[in-house]
Amino acid sequence: GAGVSQTPSNKVTEKGKYVELRCDPISGHTALYWYRQSLGQGPEFLIYFQGTGAADDSGLPNDRFFAVRPEGSVSTLKIQRTERGDSAVYLCASSLTGTGARSGANVLTFGAGSRLTVL
Amino acid sequence: QKEVEQNSGPLSVPEGAIASLNCTYSDRGSQSFFWYRQYSGKSPELIMSIYSNGDKEDGRFTAQLNKASQYVSLLIRDSQPSDSATYLCAVNPVSGANNLFFGTGTRLTVIP
Repeated sequence: GAGVSQTPSNKVTEKGKYVELRCDPISGHTALYWYRQSLGQGPEFLIYFQGTGAADDSGLPNDRFFAVRPEGSVSTLKIQRTERGDSAVYLCASSLTGTGARSGANVLTFGAGSRLTVL
Repeated sequence: QKEVEQNSGPLSVPEGAIASLNCTYSDRGSQSFFWYRQYSGKSPELIMSIYSNGDKEDGRFTAQLNKASQYVSLLIRDSQPSDSATYLCAVNPVSGANNLFFGTGTRLTVIP
């Protein structure tokens, strides 16, 4: 697509429930990132995919968080047993290549985000 | 120590003035540096990228990088009310690493 698309834009759930957030990156972008942003904070890195594989998942806070990208395009972030502290805006970004490349190809383009509220 | 440090502000400047936003980073091996602008309730959008020491100009925006001091800044000339937003500094910590660390952002308000 023309931009990074994220769904849902808003999700309200109850503590303990399971949540899936979807990201559709820019067509042709091999790198896909998930970030989490809390109010008044900068985006916090969660996980990075290069193609289908998770090249770096060091930012996932615990084993309740999991993400997949089975065909190297759309990615789903899955959160099990949600907690109130999981409430945040979950941002997805994609780039033509990974951020390690010193060129415009490493620039991240962000989606509009999915706002998750856990009651 | 955080990877990327920014003064959270708020920073207020009058319309037409120069706004100066600053950022320091901890990893001396960092290679790529970015400034993103984020309007309230919106996602970050790229303003500038810089990879080499010195200045890089794009319209009213100038990014400055000093790797020896581990310092990167963004100057906005002729500030406009539409520039009012949070400016996020982002750093790729190690060459080849595929990660981008963001600062907490500096909130800029341009007063008409």
